[in-house]
Amino acid sequence: GAVVSQHPSRVICKSGTSVKIECRSLDFQATTMFWYRQFPKKSLMLMATSNEGSKATYEQGVEKDKFLINHASLTLSTLTVTSAHPEDSSFYICSALPSVLADPWDTQYFGPGTRLTVL
Amino acid sequence: AQSVTQLGSHVSVSEGALVLLRCNYSSSVPPYLFWYVQYPNQGLQLLLKYTTGATLVKGINGFEAEFKKSETSFHLTKPSAHMSDAAEYFCAVTTYTGTASKLTFGTGTRLQVTL
Repeated sequence: GAVVSQHPSRVICKSGTSVKIECRSLDFQATTMFWYRQFPKKSLMLMATSNEGSKATYEQGVEKDKFLINHASLTLSTLTVTSAHPEDSSFYICSALPSVLADPWDTQYFGPGTRLTVL
Repeated sequence: AQSVTQLGSHVSVSEGALVLLRCNYSSSVPPYLFWYVQYPNQGLQLLLKYTTGATLVKGINGFEAEFKKSETSFHLTKPSAHMSDAAEYFCAVTTYTGTASKLTFGTGTRLQVTL
């Protein structure tokens, strides 16, 4: 149980185009999902917290208009990188927190990540 | 504010040797601590977590970690390394506020296992 999928797993795009990444909780509902960015050989940096039916909460320094997050259902959140540039190339990972917590400290379940390369 | 420090960005051990990955945390409230493993080009998999109760926590794949409040540490150990343990390991801390809490990750330790 507790499987999170991401699509696509790998995407290459041209500079200036937009890319959408999907994050799905396959066997549970997730009111809250998180989006992380990971640079090569670096740790995960939280970009934003996505709540179903409301606006995402972005971390300081993350451009809201560049990284559009939509959490339209309890099993799907999307991250759209708008007008992508080479510096946006990175590994993007999502995680999902079950709506029904097994315990108050239930953990986030992570997706397998999406490798974005902007040419 | 909370933070995590992982000492040693790269650890190399021989197969069958003890694995010790260090993690120290800083938190103004009782922390909840996690260890995650990441294989190349994959997401994170939870190894183990400490919330309350027993300070020695056992996880998957033979790993365990001990929460030491006096030392603000949560080091990860495994008695005998296996080649399949080669991966990136992240220590993380979160605090429970009644709503979804944020995870703060350390910079990671890459474990290399040699023959």
